[in-house]
Amino acid sequence: AQSVAQPEDQVNVAEGNPLTVKCTYSVSGNPYLFWYVQYPNRGLQFLLKYITGDNLVKGSYGFEAEFNKSQTSFHLKKPSALVSDSALYFCAVRGPVSGNTPLVFGKGTRLSVIA
Amino acid sequence: DAGITQSPRYKITETGRQVTLMCHQTWSHSYMFWYRQDLGHGLRLIYYSAAADITDKGEVPDGYVVSRSKTENFPLTLESATRSQTSVYFCASSDIQGRFSGNTIYFGEGSWLTVV
Repeated sequence: AQSVAQPEDQVNVAEGNPLTVKCTYSVSGNPYLFWYVQYPNRGLQFLLKYITGDNLVKGSYGFEAEFNKSQTSFHLKKPSALVSDSALYFCAVRGPVSGNTPLVFGKGTRLSVIA
Repeated sequence: DAGITQSPRYKITETGRQVTLMCHQTWSHSYMFWYRQDLGHGLRLIYYSAAADITDKGEVPDGYVVSRSKTENFPLTLESATRSQTSVYFCASSDIQGRFSGNTIYFGEGSWLTVV
């Protein structure tokens, strides 16, 4: 079975500092990994995904994520945080052997960027 | 470009009543999904559909019914609402997943349901 863990419920970072939101996964075979962001009272918005190729994936709003197969991780990063980045972030995974199985989401990490 | 629209956005209902949450997408995506979001649980899949007239249970299907007579619509019905079904419900869609497991899922804005 596939699963995702986001070990931190809350991440606090000062504006201008780099941020990292952690994600680890468990699947059989090569994973397909996603990050979504949710602003208050809104739906989830797609940020970026890793399918294959370069381990460093760049996405929307200056975010990037690094796929690390040996550590089964897909941490979300941004070099310089903005107050407007404050939101709930979800990591999700699907394994190739799952075929038509939908994405499995982590429980989310709330990011607070403090001015 | 409307994408995915959910209705109603906010609903208060009483225990035991039937409630239907509507979902409509304009992309002609094959796959549609219903998730519920609860504090401490993240997003959990209720039901999904691969095409019209094809539906499958997700992680938490009990108490819910879905149908998909048309590709663009995927209503979710709570046959007899319970307080434990108070939640935020998200509809989502994506293109064919089988051979292209990397296809992105796109979400609606959510339906806030309170059962009193």
